[in-house]
Amino acid sequence: AQRVTQPEKLLSVFKGAPVELKCNYSYSGSPELFWYVQYSRQRLQLLLRHISRESIKGFTADLNKGETSFHLKKPFAQEEDSAMYYCALLTGGFKTIFGAGTRLFVKA
Amino acid sequence: GAVVSQHPSRVICKSGTSVKIECRSLDFQATTMFWYRQFPKQSLMLMATSNEGSKATYEQGVEKDKFLINHASLTLSTLTVTSAHPEDSSFYICSARVNQGGVEQFFGPGTRLTVL
Repeated sequence: AQRVTQPEKLLSVFKGAPVELKCNYSYSGSPELFWYVQYSRQRLQLLLRHISRESIKGFTADLNKGETSFHLKKPFAQEEDSAMYYCALLTGGFKTIFGAGTRLFVKA
Repeated sequence: GAVVSQHPSRVICKSGTSVKIECRSLDFQATTMFWYRQFPKQSLMLMATSNEGSKATYEQGVEKDKFLINHASLTLSTLTVTSAHPEDSSFYICSARVNQGGVEQFFGPGTRLTVL
């Protein structure tokens, strides 16, 4: 079965604290994984993809095939990081499956 | 980046009426667009894949006669909710890829449908 699991609906951290948003996937093929972000009153937009191995806005995510995970991390959270984050899996049929999303709230 | 627009952004209609939502790719051609539905505080659920010049591919459990999709040109896809009922009230979002096989999806701002 093709599935993306984000176990946390809400994650609340203090400004400056490290943050990790968890994502696990289930997929029989070679996965292509993404993190999308939705800021308040804005549309969904791509944050990063695993194949590019880049850091965007201080966020990184490493694909761990052994643990079937693609957790999103940032060493020092900022208030402007508060948003809804969706982990997504691109299937071989070029359909994207989204996780349930995690709302990150960064407190001052 | 590529821009996708949706119209209208918000619509309120009476039960039994049909509502059409437009999705346009403004600065690129999209052979494939996707329609999602999002319930409050829930994830995006793919409803169908809209292919230019051919029939849409619907996900399991989505009634194709209820949710009519037309992809008449490389920049426009429409979703028509026919004979809408209150349970159809939701947030509908479209997205598109810049080219066939492209991996990044660009999303529209969404359309809030409320059926009274």
